[in-house]
Amino acid sequence: AQSVTQLGSHVSVSEGALVLLRCNYSSSVPPYLFWYVQYPNQGLQLLLKYTSAATLVKGINGFEAEFKKSETSFHLTKPSAHMSDAAEYFCAVTTSGGYNKLIFGAGTRLAVHP
Amino acid sequence: EAGVTQFPSHSVIEKGQTVTLRCDPISGHDNLYWYRRVMGKEIKFLLHFVKESKQDESGMPNNRFLAERTGGTYSTLKVQPAELEDSGVYFCASSQGVVKYNEQFFGPGTRLTVL
Repeated sequence: AQSVTQLGSHVSVSEGALVLLRCNYSSSVPPYLFWYVQYPNQGLQLLLKYTSAATLVKGINGFEAEFKKSETSFHLTKPSAHMSDAAEYFCAVTTSGGYNKLIFGAGTRLAVHP
Repeated sequence: EAGVTQFPSHSVIEKGQTVTLRCDPISGHDNLYWYRRVMGKEIKFLLHFVKESKQDESGMPNNRFLAERTGGTYSTLKVQPAELEDSGVYFCASSQGVVKYNEQFFGPGTRLTVL
């Protein structure tokens, strides 16, 4: 069975600082991995996804994530935080076998302060 | 292009009452999913429709929950009778095609409060 662990339910950074949101997954088969973001009063929006092509994946709004099989990790980074990045971020996994359902982590709320 | 829409945005009901949530997917999307987030916990899968058929309903908590997708368009999720533990945010998502890493587009959710 697949599972996702997001370390840190709350992360706070200064504007302009590096953003690092951690995600570790468990899967017995090759995974597909996703990062979604939820801004207040909106639905989840896809930031980026890993589909076994390139291990370094670039997404929208300057975010990127690196798939590391040896560490079973898919951490999300952004070199310089903006105030507009304040939101909740979710890591999710699905697999090539079975059904399409996404398995989510518990989410990380990112605060950006001046 | 309109995104996934959900109605109502909020619902407050008494324990034992019935509530029906509605989801309109993106036009042309055959796949429709329901997820739920109970406060402070992770978003959990409830079920997956392909057109009007239930492909996977392994996440439905119990038989108080009934999901339908008549004609393969919009979907409803009925909770009858509602219990306190049903409170949470119910998300609907839709996607196109059969490729498993196709993006699921999410609606804004319905916040259900059972008193």
